[in-house]
Amino acid sequence: DAKTTQPPSMDCAEGRAANLPCNHSTISGNEYVYWYRQIHSQGPQYIIHGLKNNETNEMASLIITEDRKSSTLILPHATLRDTAVYYCIVRKNQGGKLIFGQGTELSVKP
Amino acid sequence: GAVVSQHPSRVICKSGTSVKIECRSLDFQATTMFWYRQFPKKSLMLMATSNEGSKATYEQGVEKDKFLINHASLTLSTLTVTSAHPEDSSFYICSATPGQVTDEQFFGPGTRLTVL
Repeated sequence: DAKTTQPPSMDCAEGRAANLPCNHSTISGNEYVYWYRQIHSQGPQYIIHGLKNNETNEMASLIITEDRKSSTLILPHATLRDTAVYYCIVRKNQGGKLIFGQGTELSVKP
Repeated sequence: GAVVSQHPSRVICKSGTSVKIECRSLDFQATTMFWYRQFPKKSLMLMATSNEGSKATYEQGVEKDKFLINHASLTLSTLTVTSAHPEDSSFYICSATPGQVTDEQFFGPGTRLTVL
């Protein structure tokens, strides 16, 4: 599975958009980009995933560059409850393992 | 839907004892379950993959005799930490996937193990 690189930490003001970048330059054609988050001392929570098209759901938007070597997770209106570690994971389809990197610790501040 | 539970949520035990952690899929049948461990301020590390009715597949460096995994039914997997030592103290998290419907993984809330 391809490796991902994320900044270790980011701050965001409450109510503003949080844009979390992820580099996955070695991604292969059959690998999806997944995003999970983990609030302190809880299990990870699925956010969104995509292959090459941009995706949006009730939680977030995922923007994948045309060459698929990087992506951005967007939380449009961050709240204090969005404070968590966000993991970008590249995973093969059909049940590939989830290998967690170090993630980005997002702090949403009032 | 897609709820995964773990029991217990916290456990404290003495060195040398064995501890069993249960992972249940409450509203779906899980063909595959995964076990992770997480040290403070660190990321999740995949320990093993278990499929119902077959032996678990362990990741490199994980002792299969130390961490016994049983996936006896489509809704239950157990992780037993045998002869626990203080260095086994960690946050253990399971996940489950329905398989046929979707291969998305749903995570349990985790179990905090402290070995004295």
